[in-house]
Amino acid sequence: QVQLEQSGAEVKKPGSSVRVSCKTAGDSFNKYSISWVRQAPGQGLEYMGRIVPALNIRNYAQPFQGRLRITADKSTTTAYMELSSLSFEDTAVYYCARDVSGSYFDFWGQGTLVTVS
Amino acid sequence: DIQMTQSPSTLSASLGDSVTLTCRASHSISGWLAWYQQRPGKAPKLLIYKASTLQGGVPSRFSGSGSDTDFTLTISSLQPDDFATYYCQQYKNYSRTFGQGTKVEIK
Repeated sequence: QVQLEQSGAEVKKPGSSVRVSCKTAGDSFNKYSISWVRQAPGQGLEYMGRIVPALNIRNYAQPFQGRLRITADKSTTTAYMELSSLSFEDTAVYYCARDVSGSYFDFWGQGTLVTVS
Repeated sequence: DIQMTQSPSTLSASLGDSVTLTCRASHSISGWLAWYQQRPGKAPKLLIYKASTLQGGVPSRFSGSGSDTDFTLTISSLQPDDFATYYCQQYKNYSRTFGQGTKVEIK
């Protein structure tokens, strides 16, 4: 079973930044993309962006361009999502997911709650 | 961006019922559609991709169909674990978008 292990919950002040990590198995890191999806309380799923670790290619969804940065550390097979200029509306559970060639997401992390307060 | 609209928002059904959920895309996405199940407090789980291909390990009572702009997810003979929220997602382009979800609740 493919596992993606995310870092723990965060509480942040408005205007600050948050970084969430997502550790994966090496095979997932080398052959797949890693995407980030968030879910505000009681709301649906919102795609944020992805990284292709093997090629260091990134794509960001338009609403997040300019304040989202996704990186990957090949030595630890860990992906990171950093969101800056946080506002109350960024309170959400943030998920990383294994992204099958820029299409669907076949395995997901357990989610990380980010509270902006 | 391609907008995805799911209906109904909530569906009440009983154990053993067969239910059909609908997803409509604002533009043609061919068959580039996935369905996910999300139980409360859990991460989404992939059920179907390419509109009708069942992900490994997913029970055969789940089936998907459709193309272009109109898609359906059918669950035959609802089981207790099936009461959850279901999302469709298009991947016609890299700007993936999800529907707002359909909650299947116990009648």
